[in-house]
Amino acid sequence: TQLLEQSPQFLSIQEGENLTVYCNSSSVFSSLQWYRQEPGEGPVLLVTVVTGGEVKKLKRLTFQFGDARKDSSLHITAAQPGDTGLYLCAGDDKIIFGKGTRLHILP
Amino acid sequence: NAGVMQNPRHLVRRRGQEARLRCSPMKGHSHVYWYRQLPEEGLKFMVYLQKENIIDESGMPKERFSAEFPKEGPSILRIQQVVRGDSAAYFCASSPLSFTGSYEQYFGPGTRLTVT
Repeated sequence: TQLLEQSPQFLSIQEGENLTVYCNSSSVFSSLQWYRQEPGEGPVLLVTVVTGGEVKKLKRLTFQFGDARKDSSLHITAAQPGDTGLYLCAGDDKIIFGKGTRLHILP
Repeated sequence: NAGVMQNPRHLVRRRGQEARLRCSPMKGHSHVYWYRQLPEEGLKFMVYLQKENIIDESGMPKERFSAEFPKEGPSILRIQQVVRGDSAAYFCASSPLSFTGSYEQYFGPGTRLTVT
């Protein structure tokens, strides 16, 4: 069974700090997606990574896909309160979602 | 450019009643997925459909739950004889199958089902 493990489960940091959250699996995925979900809303797609070693930037967010395509990381620079939310990674093949990292940025 | 639409946004049912949740995918998308989310948890896959076909229903409970995506009209997730444990947020997502083969999904706002 394919699984995606996300860590940490919860993260609360001060505005302006940097952070990294992780999405790991023992399985190879042909692509991974990252989503952000705010309370009461559906997840919103942030990025898709496809190629091993790929790095994608979305303003202050940097996404990396591991060389072996089994893991991914999301780095946020100078976190802002608007970054607060549940960050989910998802792999295709069997449409697997991790349980998410719940991020809270303190003003 | 309408996104994925779900209705109703909130649904209250008494135990034993039926719940019908509707999902209209984004224009041009022919793949629909249904997920369930309990408070403070991630998304749990239920079923994946294309028009008139169920592709993968491995996450769907064997009893009381069914889904369809007819040739015309929205996708429907139907829960018969609801129980309190069915209370959750149900999300629908739609996807085109991109040329890369990746399954980028676009989610609706969800239907929050409360069983009393």
